[in-house]
Amino acid sequence: AQSVTQPDIHITVSEGASLELRCNYSYGATPYLFWYVQSPGQGLQLLLKYFSGDTLVQGIKGFEAEFKRSQSSFNLRKPSVHWSDAAEYFCAVGANDYKLSFGAGTTVTVRA
Amino acid sequence: DTGVSQDPRHKITKRGQNVTFRCDPISEHNRLYWYRQTLGQGPEFLTYFQNEAQLEKSRLLSDRFSAERPKGSFSTLEIQRTEQGDSAMYLCASSLAGGAAANEQFFGPGTRLTVL
Repeated sequence: AQSVTQPDIHITVSEGASLELRCNYSYGATPYLFWYVQSPGQGLQLLLKYFSGDTLVQGIKGFEAEFKRSQSSFNLRKPSVHWSDAAEYFCAVGANDYKLSFGAGTTVTVRA
Repeated sequence: DTGVSQDPRHKITKRGQNVTFRCDPISEHNRLYWYRQTLGQGPEFLTYFQNEAQLEKSRLLSDRFSAERPKGSFSTLEIQRTEQGDSAMYLCASSLAGGAAANEQFFGPGTRLTVL
């Protein structure tokens, strides 16, 4: 069975600074990888996905993520954070054609 | 298309009562999923449908839970004899079927259940 670890529970970053969120997965084959964002009391919005091909993927809102097979990682980055990026971020892995497995999430706080 | 919708958005009930939630998927999606999210955790898979057939149920889905998708469009999730441990956000998602597309799931806003 696949699993996802997000080592950072909470990250605080200054507005305009860069952001990197870590994600490690466990799965026997090449997984489908996703990053979702969730604002308080809301559902999940897909930021970006990796299925195959180029290991650096671009998403919405200026986010990008890099798939590193050797490290079983799929870290999310943004060069310059805006106050509106404050939210909870979830990494997810898809396999077996139907079920997504999520990490516990990283809460991002943006200070002025 | 307005995306996945869920109703109600919030539900407060007393322990022992039954509750039912509804999910309307994206119209061209034939797969529909239910997840549960408790505070401070990521969503956990409960069950999924392809058209009207329920194809998989997690062991998290106890006998008090039942889900239906009678016409392959909207779905309902019913919880009977609610317990305080059922308090959570219930998320619905939909996707196309097969391969990578099945994993690209679009989520609704969720139904927040509070059991007193």
